[in-house]
Amino acid sequence: QKEVEQNSGPLSVPEGAIASLNCTYSDRGSQSFFWYRQYSGKSPELIMSIYSNGDKEDGRFTAQLNKASQYVSLLIRDSQPSDSATYLCAVNGRDDKIIFGKGTRLHILP
Amino acid sequence: GAVVSQHPSRVICKSGTSVKIECRSLDFQATTMFWYRQFPKQSLMLMATSNEGSKATYEQGVEKDKFLINHASLTLSTLTVTSAHPEDSSFYICSAREGQGSVWAPLHFGNGTRLTVT
Repeated sequence: QKEVEQNSGPLSVPEGAIASLNCTYSDRGSQSFFWYRQYSGKSPELIMSIYSNGDKEDGRFTAQLNKASQYVSLLIRDSQPSDSATYLCAVNGRDDKIIFGKGTRLHILP
Repeated sequence: GAVVSQHPSRVICKSGTSVKIECRSLDFQATTMFWYRQFPKQSLMLMATSNEGSKATYEQGVEKDKFLINHASLTLSTLTVTSAHPEDSSFYICSAREGQGSVWAPLHFGNGTRLTVT
């Protein structure tokens, strides 16, 4: 079983709509969860961190964590064309390493 | 916020030569830095964990004699690709954690180095 799983996409969302990105993880002991955005040819940039069950909001972004279901998601409200990128889910794993999913490609349709 | 600087951003070298990539944490100390490699349209792959003052820890399948890592200070780690081959052409990205490697701290990435071996 892969440690961090994401749907590779592409996920196409109309401009102005809500984009919903999902991620599951296998290690029940994980305590830290992160979402990164990566534009083509660039390095990842941190969008949000979440550590407790529930929702965490930052501007147009909301991260949701459900440890019982081993599930973390990212919602992007009022999607903009500039949100088109690959979104990486990351989870702290064994030996405190951060394990990345393969990423979901998001396309915002103008 | 935490800033990680990586240099050079692009390098082209000939087969058989060596290339050094520098990674610096600019506004925080990093006892641990991480080196990733990413091939086109593929996911980030952790190559090694760089530990200040001690030997790096390499992931399975990564040749430690080919990818030399030195972490001489709390703000600088270097990756040297030795005897480079065309198949080493990739995007190399370093990262570091604030908070002395706390499990709660996210990784911050450098801008990456695009290596092309001809």
